[in-house]
Amino acid sequence: DGGITQSPKYLFRKEGQNVTLSCEQNLNHDAMYWYRQDPGQGLRLIYYSQIVNDFQKGDIAEGYSVSREKKESFPLTVTSAQKNPTAFYLCASSITRLALAQETQYFGPGTRLLVL
Amino acid sequence: RKEVEQDPGPFNVPEGATVAFNCTYSNSASQSFFWYRQDCRKEPKLLMSVYSSGNEDGRFTAQLNRASQYISLLIRDSKLSDSATYLCVVNLYGNKLVFGAGTILRVKS
Repeated sequence: DGGITQSPKYLFRKEGQNVTLSCEQNLNHDAMYWYRQDPGQGLRLIYYSQIVNDFQKGDIAEGYSVSREKKESFPLTVTSAQKNPTAFYLCASSITRLALAQETQYFGPGTRLLVL
Repeated sequence: RKEVEQDPGPFNVPEGATVAFNCTYSNSASQSFFWYRQDCRKEPKLLMSVYSSGNEDGRFTAQLNRASQYISLLIRDSKLSDSATYLCVVNLYGNKLVFGAGTILRVKS
């Protein structure tokens, strides 16, 4: 089955700890994205990558880091500098960088991060 | 002004009712438009794209009004299973999707 997987489903972070969220896709999509969703708010873009070994900051990149060493994988690290990390984190991918008409994104099942 | 705005609802409707949601966007250069559905504690899933000529998929109809900068979603003959949050999504610059905060629909028996 083709799709996007995220792990873990739930993640607990202690104060001052860095944690890494996994995102893998087997859709052969070039572009991958990380979003954060808070209750009552729209999805906010954290980072995105249009090609291997390249990534760009989104609207709320502070306190987060990413890597894109393989086309299939785009892990997100929530660092201790992120002071309010409790949220639902969603990974998405698209065939290219959304430049084609009607091209859109497909999402993984998400990871819920909670601070202890 | 937010780039994409939606009425948060909730819209509480009986089964079989027709319900419509609107969404406004601020950038007239926006290129493509979508409706996503998100169930509670799940990921958003693409419901339908919105074309300039309007499009229909079964009980769902999407319309785009570029002059007034809004898109709409009409659901006919509502089912209990339609209960969800509906997200309006706009591709603003040809390389970035902007998501509305969503409209909650509750269909009651």
